[in-house]
Amino acid sequence: KAGVTQTPRYLIKTRGQQVTLSCSPISGHRSVSWYQQTPGQGLQFLFEYFSETQRNKGNFPGRFSGRQFSNSRSEMNVSTLELGDSALYLCASSGTRGLNTEAFFGQGTRLTVV
Amino acid sequence: EDQVTQSPEALRLQEGESSSLNCSYTVSGLRGLFWYRQDPGKGPEFLFTLYSAGEEKEKERLKATLTKKESFLHITAPKPEDSATYLCAVLSLLRDTGRRALTFGSGTRLQVQP
Repeated sequence: KAGVTQTPRYLIKTRGQQVTLSCSPISGHRSVSWYQQTPGQGLQFLFEYFSETQRNKGNFPGRFSGRQFSNSRSEMNVSTLELGDSALYLCASSGTRGLNTEAFFGQGTRLTVV
Repeated sequence: EDQVTQSPEALRLQEGESSSLNCSYTVSGLRGLFWYRQDPGKGPEFLFTLYSAGEEKEKERLKATLTKKESFLHITAPKPEDSATYLCAVLSLLRDTGRRALTFGSGTRLQVQP
């Protein structure tokens, strides 16, 4: 059974640009959640999508958005990038119970904003 | 606001030297507490979910327990391959929105020396 796949693995962007990250969940999983991990703030929850709808959301500004497609694949977009957005972005997939149950994480996308 | 505090920040053990990691929390409406381990450069790997005070779960050398204010991850006779960062996360219910909030602790870096 294939795990959670995130692309790309590494990304370098310039301040002010926007970026889109992709996540393919484990087959059969309908819940996809996104996280930001930095040395200073640790691991923080961004949002969760289930059946193409945002079901839960963390405390991040509107520059961070996401969507989920009918095949459960998900994308996360960050607009008007700031230096502080440099981080490891992780996505995780879960079964029907979503955040209430175990999550399987991908390897992450390392975003560097210069 | 939900708070999750993990201690110690770092722990160095000799192989076979048992110890415990602590995760204390202040949340409104606990819906679950999760333990993950994270190896450098990888996404977190699920270990346990605990849902109510008094619950305990075991897996190999690890045992997780939960009270109304904290959780412990007990490591019995650790081996070098247990070296990793251990993260706890708390899922709570936001009464004003009915949505879930997921809050992570900053982690405990465990090093087990042979």
